[in-house]
Amino acid sequence: DSGVTQTPKHLITATGQRVTLRCSPRSGDLSVYWYQQSLDQGLQFLIQYYNGEERAKGNILERFSAQQFPDLHSELNLSSLELGDSALYFCASSVGAGTMYGYTFGSGTRLTVV
Amino acid sequence: DQQVKQNSPSLSVQEGRISILNCDYTNSMFDYFLWYKKYPAEGPTFLISISSIKDKNEDGRFTVFLNKSAKHLSLHIVPSQPGDSAVYFCAANGGGGADGLTFGKGTHLIIQP
Repeated sequence: DSGVTQTPKHLITATGQRVTLRCSPRSGDLSVYWYQQSLDQGLQFLIQYYNGEERAKGNILERFSAQQFPDLHSELNLSSLELGDSALYFCASSVGAGTMYGYTFGSGTRLTVV
Repeated sequence: DQQVKQNSPSLSVQEGRISILNCDYTNSMFDYFLWYKKYPAEGPTFLISISSIKDKNEDGRFTVFLNKSAKHLSLHIVPSQPGDSAVYFCAANGGGGADGLTFGKGTHLIIQP
């Protein structure tokens, strides 16, 4: 157990729908990162929050949004889902905002859009 | 444009021998480089990292080498063990203030008995 908790582990939904993925960071970590891993793209950085504030944005679509709450858990909202959004979504956390020692990943949420 | 490339999708090595995983990058602004290991149904696990000002970092059986002039890094695992069978991702950070890592697509390392 890495200490980063992601729920749900699996999600199957239809095109056009909206889903929310949840992440609880490791205790003491202030930064939360979201990544998408699709079959042909590897791990793509989506967005980072640090202590409740958005810190960095990567390749996140406008249909996707995220937030980090006062208790530091984070949610990734995916709307108007398309078949191509099917992927593994990973959350990761770290103590600070950026570290050479990497950060800790959760085990991911597998999203299947049908 | 892929800034971090792992050109070998898979690599098969005999147990006890050296495994060498390679990674190339294009962005000279990267501050440091990391290697992650991933087992099926788990998230990536941090393995080892190296700052752009160093050319080598060692941690037990794992050594990462950085050749800045060639924009190339490699991960050496000696000796290779069955538990090393996993997907290895090369990643890079820095250059612009964003803290998100740029990952390669991974190399599947298979250790054969």
